[in-house]
Amino acid sequence: GQNIDQPTEMTATEGAIVQINCTYQTSGFNGLFWYQQHAGEAPTFLSYNVLDGLEEKGRFSSFLSRSKGYSYLLLKELQMKDSASYLCAVTNNDYKLSFGAGTTVTVRA
Amino acid sequence: IAGITQAPTSQILAAGRRMTLRCTQDMRHNAMYWYRQDLGLGLRLIHYSNTAGTTGKGEVPDGYSVSRANTDDFPLTLASAVPSQTSVYFCASSDEAGGYNEQFFGPGTRLTVL
Repeated sequence: GQNIDQPTEMTATEGAIVQINCTYQTSGFNGLFWYQQHAGEAPTFLSYNVLDGLEEKGRFSSFLSRSKGYSYLLLKELQMKDSASYLCAVTNNDYKLSFGAGTTVTVRA
Repeated sequence: IAGITQAPTSQILAAGRRMTLRCTQDMRHNAMYWYRQDLGLGLRLIHYSNTAGTTGKGEVPDGYSVSRANTDDFPLTLASAVPSQTSVYFCASSDEAGGYNEQFFGPGTRLTVL
């Protein structure tokens, strides 16, 4: 099974940087996803990492260390619209996604 | 239709009643999934289908059944609803069942069982 941990809540100021950490324990590993979910809406895909290192996509970057069972999502130049929940999800040998409980990020003016 | 749709948007149901949540996608994705989302627990997989004609059990399948008669539709049935099934239900699809495939989520169904 999976054990995926991420902080429950984070608060940051508009224009700042926030880093959301995710640690996982899994019997097999085939990649890690980050999804964004605004309140009352469906999750939407942000990033996928399967190899160690940093993947950058505009203001968002995702990092993976397979040996440490660790990932983070970095949100730069925060905007009010970035207020949302960020879901870390791991896929293992059976290719099913297991989600963490999510981190709610609040961006303040 | 564009993407993935779910119906109804919300429903209040008496305990013991039967209910089917509908999910349709027009992306010709092979794999489809049903999740429930509860506060503090995140998304949990109920059932999945890797391709039309096949289904499998996820993490929390008890009390739920699914069918996949064709590529587009993946209904979820609660045979006899119980209050613990109060949740937000999301249907999702992906091109293939492989681990690198992004999942696309429907808008969700908010179900309350009284």
